Amino acid sequence: ETGVTQTPRHLVMGMTNKKSLKCEQHLGHNAMYWYKQSAKKPLELMFVYSLEERVENNSVPSRFSPECPNSSHLFLHLHTLQPEDSALYLCASSQAGGNEQFFGPGTRLTVL
Amino acid sequence: AQRVTQPEKLLSVFKGAPVELKCNYSYSGSPELFWYVQYSRQRLQLLLRHISRESIKGFTADLNKGETSFHLKKPFAQEEDSAMYYCALRGGATNKLIFGTGTLLAVQP
Repeated sequence: ETGVTQTPRHLVMGMTNKKSLKCEQHLGHNAMYWYKQSAKKPLELMFVYSLEERVENNSVPSRFSPECPNSSHLFLHLHTLQPEDSALYLCASSQAGGNEQFFGPGTRLTVL
Repeated sequence: AQRVTQPEKLLSVFKGAPVELKCNYSYSGSPELFWYVQYSRQRLQLLLRHISRESIKGFTADLNKGETSFHLKKPFAQEEDSAMYYCALRGGATNKLIFGTGTLLAVQP
């Protein structure tokens, strides 16, 4: 598998569930990102990791918890979500300081 | 505040017609501007960046600091150009991208 992969591609969960989204990049990058794409709203940056350190947390509620165990993997742990958290969650990677971000296909999350 | 504005949600043109997708930005420093594109059933990908001053798939975009704009242009639209186009601004040391709401370009035969 090349590029940026995300699993699962679709996820339906109840408000009391705990789940995790996974992102993996095979590009040798050292920065990774989580974005949220909701209907009728711009792509919103959630978290940035550079060299495995979180360098940006864009006022995201604590029910979203990121984890970056190494430069190739990024997780988004979800717990007690709300229906308004239903969205497409995109992962991206780049070289730290680099110009181009490479995106994964996204995980379509539905919170019931 | 850093902001990217794409005023058109939908732009519909006929094949062969010129295309201009508008993008305006608000940023206090020296901006880096990008256009990303998402074709149907494909992932979001970089189309072009202002510092490269390149033409990709016939598209060009010029950064106009006086008007704080970075409009995307193509003289003759093709059906395969139909896609969602996002203008993005990079600001700060964290490589953070700020996206506009996107414009859906529909090229009719």
